[in-house]
Amino acid sequence: GDSVTQMEGPVTLSEEAFLTINCTYTATGYPSLFWYVQYPGEGLQLLLKATKADDKGSNKGFEATYRKETTSFHLEKGSVQVSDSAVYFCALPDGGSTLGRLYFGRGTQLTVWP
Amino acid sequence: DGGITQSPKYLFRKEGQNVTLSCEQNLNHDAMYWYRQDPGQGLRLIYYSQIVNDFQKGDIAEGYSVSREKKESFPLTVTSAQKNPTAFYLCASSIDPDPTDTIYFGEGSWLTVV
Repeated sequence: GDSVTQMEGPVTLSEEAFLTINCTYTATGYPSLFWYVQYPGEGLQLLLKATKADDKGSNKGFEATYRKETTSFHLEKGSVQVSDSAVYFCALPDGGSTLGRLYFGRGTQLTVWP
Repeated sequence: DGGITQSPKYLFRKEGQNVTLSCEQNLNHDAMYWYRQDPGQGLRLIYYSQIVNDFQKGDIAEGYSVSREKKESFPLTVTSAQKNPTAFYLCASSIDPDPTDTIYFGEGSWLTVV
């Protein structure tokens, strides 16, 4: 079935370091792909998404490119800030009968130190 | 402002009690969802509703119940049959159950069994 495999955390970086969080997926066809972010004690917010192969989603300095060849959607940021400390989730929709539900990765905890 | 409101933020339940978590949205969304989040894990779908007066079980529905009598409301009852209810519960909604639509989340409710 459809699934998402996300890089295990936690990830600890210094401010201005480069960030990569890996995400690979298994799915039938070419689903939309999402990155959500969860700040401490809060719900999830959509960070970015890509709806078709080779699309690049971007927001707040984060980017992710939908690569069908490698079935990947890795999250990157060139220079992280302390305020980026959060848990990041990769997700894809259920391509079967349960339209609208999302499959989530386990989440990657990012901590950025000043 | 439009959004999803969950209440209460924190809830304590005694063994054998049923509790109900409230979820209200004013986004005029047709689809609503309940997810459960446990530490170090991704989100798991409890129930979802694609339209008023209709709902379906997700992956972990045992010990939970829902209703969808109004478009804007999707309360979740955690029954005494749920053996391990301590978790963070997230309500979500989307315009309609389309795989490319963004899903919006509430701030979450923490439930602890005492």
